[in-house]
Amino acid sequence: DQQVKQNSPSLSVQEGRISILNCDYTNSMFDYFLWYKKYPAEGPTFLISISSIKDKNEDGRFTVFLNKSAKHLSLHIVPSQPGDSAVYFCAASYTDSNYQLIWGAGTKLIIKP
Amino acid sequence: EADIYQTPRYLVIGTGKKITLECSQTMGHDKMYWYQQDPGMELHLIHYSYGVNSTEKGDLSSESTVSRIRTEHFPLTLESARPSHTSQYLCASKPTGAQFYNSPLHFGNGTRLTVT
Repeated sequence: DQQVKQNSPSLSVQEGRISILNCDYTNSMFDYFLWYKKYPAEGPTFLISISSIKDKNEDGRFTVFLNKSAKHLSLHIVPSQPGDSAVYFCAASYTDSNYQLIWGAGTKLIIKP
Repeated sequence: EADIYQTPRYLVIGTGKKITLECSQTMGHDKMYWYQQDPGMELHLIHYSYGVNSTEKGDLSSESTVSRIRTEHFPLTLESARPSHTSQYLCASKPTGAQFYNSPLHFGNGTRLTVT
């Protein structure tokens, strides 16, 4: 049973517009969430994270929103740039899991010029 | 930035061969991990280590083995490769300590393994 779900395998967005990537989770014990970005033939690189005590975290063009009641988080990229084209993974962890990460299957973001 | 190296980057090998995927990091991190990832799928943890002489199996059953004789080195070995082992293998590390509990993983660039 997948505990972290990214239901959109791909997303296409016009350059300069907002990209919104979504992630749902089922385990209410998760207390920390991260987003990673992955280019083909490279390893994932950390993008932004959020603790369950917050509902928003912002870093430059990237903002992550957490809705605990809905068990949903989203990553907003504004404005979208061609270099943002990549696969974005959502991951979650909780204290009793020794902070092992549970990963979503990723969303491929394509930024159109 | 993060110095974690994986070799080879790409490997095509025949069924039944023994292979070792190398992973080294120069950051002095105690915690190291091996993940397996297929296109369109989540990353699956196959092995991890919290320090020298410490190794554990992850959530995904794997026929591979690992060793941790030195802090910086965490190789993964497949004794007899099969086509089902075709995948991307990603090595990662992070520092130990309560202040680093939520620190992100640093990943290498991965090894793309194809078993024919």
